[in-house]
Amino acid sequence: EDKVVQSPLSLVVHEGDTVTLNCSYEVTNFRSLLWYKQEKKAPTFLFMLTSSGIEKKSGRLSSILDKKELFSILNITATQTGDSAIYLCAVSTYGGATNKLIFGTGTLLAVQP
Amino acid sequence: KAGVTQTPRYLIKTRGQQVTLSCSPISGHRSVSWYQQTPGQGLQFLFEYFSETQRNKGNFPGRFSGRQFSNSRSEMNVSTLELGDSALYLCASSSRTGGNGNTIYFGEGSWLTVV
Repeated sequence: EDKVVQSPLSLVVHEGDTVTLNCSYEVTNFRSLLWYKQEKKAPTFLFMLTSSGIEKKSGRLSSILDKKELFSILNITATQTGDSAIYLCAVSTYGGATNKLIFGTGTLLAVQP
Repeated sequence: KAGVTQTPRYLIKTRGQQVTLSCSPISGHRSVSWYQQTPGQGLQFLFEYFSETQRNKGNFPGRFSGRQFSNSRSEMNVSTLELGDSALYLCASSSRTGGNGNTIYFGEGSWLTVV
């Protein structure tokens, strides 16, 4: 059965800290991995990764995929209180023409002032 | 460009009733997927429609159904509601399906409470 596991489940940091969120997966026919940020509303798209070793970057956020070791990390540098949210990792697999995503349980990040 | 729009945003239903939720995807997007989000199970895939055809279906009972119209708008229906159906129902849209990976955007969801 396809599985996506995120760690840690939750963490509390102070403003200015750097955090690393982890996502590992065991799926058949991996296609892509996506990161989302969810506050009290819609999950907001952050990154889509398809190739190993190529870092995606957006401001203070960056992410990289390792298809050999089957994991991805999401880094947030110089954290701000506005980064407080649930960060979701999802994997898409080949197997027909479909956009089905398999989600991890998410990491709850709390950034204290 | 408007995002994914879901209606209604909040609703309360009684056990045994049925409910219909609506989703308008981003303009030009033809793929619409539905997910159920609960504290215990996280986000779980319900089904996906592309060009009015169901492309994939998750492991949910037949009480959960959906459809897509020619303008790509989609509806999902849950019949004979149970307390366990209380959840946030999220709609997601994408311009394509399949391929080598597609960016998928979510709406703000419909909060359903079954009492």
